[in-house]
Amino acid sequence: EVQLVESGGGLVQPGGSLRLSCAASGFSFSSYWMSWVRQAPGRGPEWVASIKQDGTEKFYVDSVKGRFTISKDNAKNSLSLQMNSLRVEDTAVYYCAREENSNYRYWGQGTLVTVSS
Amino acid sequence: EIVMTQSPATLSVSPGERATLSCRASQSVSSNLAWYQQKPGQAPRLLIYGSSTRATGIPARFSGSGSGTEFTLTISSLQSEDFAVYYCQQYKNWPPWYTFGQGTKLEIK
Repeated sequence: EVQLVESGGGLVQPGGSLRLSCAASGFSFSSYWMSWVRQAPGRGPEWVASIKQDGTEKFYVDSVKGRFTISKDNAKNSLSLQMNSLRVEDTAVYYCAREENSNYRYWGQGTLVTVSS
Repeated sequence: EIVMTQSPATLSVSPGERATLSCRASQSVSSNLAWYQQKPGQAPRLLIYGSSTRATGIPARFSGSGSGTEFTLTISSLQSEDFAVYYCQQYKNWPPWYTFGQGTKLEIK
């Protein structure tokens, strides 16, 4: 059974940093592109970042470029998102998701990030 | 950036009736369109990809159609568990820049 379990969310002040993690199991993690998708309260999902199977290619939505870094550890079946210079508008539930043909069949349960003073 | 616009924002339908949800892309996405269902407190669930292909385990009452800029999700006979929010997502771009619509809330009439 495919499982994706996020952790690391919490309350942080504007300008602060947070590192999200996603533990993957039940599939060959090294064979898949992985993504972070976020959803602000009452809004639709927003794609944040994607990383290639071997971690050699990474892509980000413009609003997080230069602030967020996606990484993948195939030996530990783990996906991470390092978030720096956080803004109030980054407040959202962050989901780890497995890409298949550029859409998402498997999602984690999400972890809430709140940026507030 | 490709903008996805869904209509209506809220759709009220009685159980057993048909629901038709629309999604429009600001430019052609070919058939690179997926639909998701989301219930409160849950992650989105993939229903349809490639505009019209049902994901594994999705009931046949869900169907998708369209290409280019106009897409439709049809639920042929609404069951109680179908009342939820539905999102479309385009995945045409390369390098990746996937965008979702703002959602249609399907509520019980």
